[in-house]
Amino acid sequence: DAKTTQPPSMDCAEGRAANLPCNHSTISGNEYVYWYRQIHSQGPQYIIHGLKNNETNEMASLIITEDRKSSTLILPHATLRDTAVYYCIVRVNQAGTALIFGKGTTLSVSS
Amino acid sequence: GAVVSQHPSRVICKSGTSVKIECRSLDFQATTMFWYRQFPKQSLMLMATSNEGSKATYEQGVEKDKFLINHASLTLSTLTVTSAHPEDSSFYICSAVLRLGQGSNQPQHFGDGTRLSIL
Repeated sequence: DAKTTQPPSMDCAEGRAANLPCNHSTISGNEYVYWYRQIHSQGPQYIIHGLKNNETNEMASLIITEDRKSSTLILPHATLRDTAVYYCIVRVNQAGTALIFGKGTTLSVSS
Repeated sequence: GAVVSQHPSRVICKSGTSVKIECRSLDFQATTMFWYRQFPKQSLMLMATSNEGSKATYEQGVEKDKFLINHASLTLSTLTVTSAHPEDSSFYICSAVLRLGQGSNQPQHFGDGTRLSIL
């Protein structure tokens, strides 16, 4: 069973920020929050991950609430190429543990 | 950054044929590799966990005799679909994790997948 809940779909205008929410109310202390995306007919692409602090890289920002029960992935300036399925996954901090994918959020960016 | 290469990208073959898919980590050593399967309009489903030098661990419902996994080196894992039938047609994706000791929270890196079509 997926340990995260995401809206099935979202729309975003090109150039605007895309804010993708994720609920993970049963997350445990040693689980990280990972975000991946999958563009049609490709393998998933790693975006960002974090434990409890907010994180930022060249692709996106990850905001994790203080109680760690939810997070938001922010794409600051969405482009048409950001149209994809976005997966929020919690994963225990143990080497060799696979990512288990839920249904994700289909983000559609339009001009 | 880390790159995982998967080959071939697409295979079309007749029913009863065995098909081998290769997954390579190009610039890092991968103690563990994972194999996923994805049907149209569905999410990725984990099939098995492959550890270098040992037998793979299969998820419930995945036939180990049908989906043979070999992880003979730290940079290569192979998935062989034996006696493939039309219901085995799917998108197969591998992923790899950095070798142990370099951080157990390292992200998985994925290949671009293999589209398998059995006629």
